[in-house]
Amino acid sequence: GESVGLHLPTLSVQEGDNSIINCAYSNSASDYFIWYKQESGKGPQFIIDIRSNMDKRQGQRVTVLLNKTVKHLSLQIAATQPGDSAVYFCAENNPHTGGFKTIFGAGTRLFVKA
Amino acid sequence: DAGVIQSPRHEVTEMGQEVTLRCKPISGHDYLFWYRQTMMRGLELLIYFNNNVPIDDSGMPEDRFSAKMPNASFSTLKIQPSEPRDSAVYFCASSYLPPGTGDYEQYFGPGTRLTVT
Repeated sequence: GESVGLHLPTLSVQEGDNSIINCAYSNSASDYFIWYKQESGKGPQFIIDIRSNMDKRQGQRVTVLLNKTVKHLSLQIAATQPGDSAVYFCAENNPHTGGFKTIFGAGTRLFVKA
Repeated sequence: DAGVIQSPRHEVTEMGQEVTLRCKPISGHDYLFWYRQTMMRGLELLIYFNNNVPIDDSGMPEDRFSAKMPNASFSTLKIQPSEPRDSAVYFCASSYLPPGTGDYEQYFGPGTRLTVT
């Protein structure tokens, strides 16, 4: 069935280090992927997306890597800052007749130590 | 723009009561989404609209849930009758483009925390 899962529920990193958050997906038909950041008490915030015809996309301090062979997605945050502390979700998008279906992973909590 | 606006921010109700959650999307956004977030099930897409028309409601848990979008600036999610298992945070989000298109971005509201006792 369709599922999106995360390898690590929590990740603790030192301020200034790089962070890598991983995500596995199971539906090979998924053609679009999104990473979200959710701070405590707030709604998810769109970070970066990637289409299935790409294997890498870079934003400001963030990079998303897509490995379709093993159905793996990762979010890399460079020079992690205390403000990056949050829960990070990956989401996959499955196209289907007349629309699309978005499925979210369970989330990874990132702690940034000062 | 003030972003996506949701009301109320918190709602506590008794089992069996009707609950109505409200959302005002960002002006000019043609897509509106309703999500539910719980510890057990995470984030789930319930329904989304395009130009006020419901496109996919396959995520709506059961007939007790209904959503409407009477105009481009307002949407409601109604639960009647409510049950304790409906307790969750409900998010509304909007976007100008559908997911997967170039320069796609989706904006979430602050959410409504619903507690059904």
